[in-house]
Amino acid sequence: GQQVMQIPQYQHVQEGEDFTTYCNSSTTLSNIQWYKQRPGGHPVFLIQLVKSGEVKKQKRLTFQFGEAKKNSSLHITATQTTDVGTYFCAGRPSGSARQLTFGSGTQLTVLP
Amino acid sequence: DGGITQSPKYLFRKEGQNVTLSCEQNLNHDAMYWYRQDPGQGLRLIYYSQIVNDFQKGDIAEGYSVSREKKESFPLTVTSAQKNPTAFYLCASSPLVGRNSMNTEAFFGQGTRLTVV
Repeated sequence: GQQVMQIPQYQHVQEGEDFTTYCNSSTTLSNIQWYKQRPGGHPVFLIQLVKSGEVKKQKRLTFQFGEAKKNSSLHITATQTTDVGTYFCAGRPSGSARQLTFGSGTQLTVLP
Repeated sequence: DGGITQSPKYLFRKEGQNVTLSCEQNLNHDAMYWYRQDPGQGLRLIYYSQIVNDFQKGDIAEGYSVSREKKESFPLTVTSAQKNPTAFYLCASSPLVGRNSMNTEAFFGQGTRLTVV
């Protein structure tokens, strides 16, 4: 079956430092989504990327979808304590776009 | 208010008992999903459904069962066959997946934390 892997599993940064998490799929994706889960909460949708090579920005967050549509990244510039949480990518495989498979997530800790 | 509701938030059961987790949505979404999350882990897909009276197994369906008799409801039963049922269970729904460009954001419920003793 499809596998979606994320690295790193954990990341500790000092407030103000940048942060990046990477997502890799074993199969080509029709689209990729990113979610954030705050401690004790449930995942909340951040963004969806559809096109090969697509780049989208949300304030300090930059999302990229790889040219081959098998990988993606989320980059946060100048982290803040409000960025704390676990970031998940989720992909829908091409040809079977109905299944939504989540990566293992990257747990971000921001030290004040 | 539109949304997706899971109940109960916390559930305790004795080993060997079946237990059913509720998931209801009023977003008019066709697709619904059940995920399991273990501490410090990602979300693993248990079952998903795209239409009433139809559902497919996810990656870890063994020991679980579902039904989709109504569009709004997708209950999950954790059976006694599930060897390690203690976990955080998340239900989600999304619009029907069609064209690639359509936003298929998944909305999650608050989750049910199941503890089997």
